[in-house]
Amino acid sequence: EVQLLESGGGLVQPGGSLRLSCAASGFTFSDYAMSWVRQAPGKGLEWVATLSGSGSGRGGSTSYADSVKGRFTISRDNSRNALFLHMNSLRAEDTAVYYCAKEGCTSTNCYINWWGQGTLVTVSS
Amino acid sequence: DIVMTQSPDSLAVSLGERATINCKSSQSVLNSSNKRNYLAWYQQKPGQSPKLLIYWASTREFGVPDRFSGSGSGTDFTLTISSLQAEDVAVYYCQQYSGTPHTFGQGTKLEIK
Repeated sequence: EVQLLESGGGLVQPGGSLRLSCAASGFTFSDYAMSWVRQAPGKGLEWVATLSGSGSGRGGSTSYADSVKGRFTISRDNSRNALFLHMNSLRAEDTAVYYCAKEGCTSTNCYINWWGQGTLVTVSS
Repeated sequence: DIVMTQSPDSLAVSLGERATINCKSSQSVLNSSNKRNYLAWYQQKPGQSPKLLIYWASTREFGVPDRFSGSGSGTDFTLTISSLQAEDVAVYYCQQYSGTPHTFGQGTKLEIK
């Protein structure tokens, strides 16, 4: 069975940095695009970023929401079946549960067919 | 950006009755070359992660009960629950994945009347 386990969330001050990790299992990780989606407390879902199945280190394509572009970086390590989200210059409005998500395809224009349990990021002084 | 608008924001339906949720996109999500609508529906129960119900607008995900169905094309889409069960209480989201950002609708909260 597919499993996605996020870690790395926590409390960080405005302007700070954080790296989220997602350990994947139960499928051929390198074959699929992966995404991060966030949900602010009591709010709806917001797509954050997607990385294609080939991996950014080998020319994999990435896409970002405008709200995080230039501050967040999505990456993957196919040898470790791991997905990452490097978050810099964090703002209060970045406070949310961050979900690691598996796409149903290799390309970035695809639906999400599996979600992790999420990790909470709180940006506050 | 493609804006996704769901209606209604909330809905109360009696057990065994039909529930209908609408989703409208600000531009077409139909790919003219492969004739696919890049539209998915997700269910999020209280305290849980979202779960995929429908993709390509009308393809039911494996294991999803057949009382859930998706329809529509272009800019107008519908999620129908043919006979509401107690376990269907949740917030439902549509999402377009035709172009980035992969925008979600605001969500529709479904409750039992």
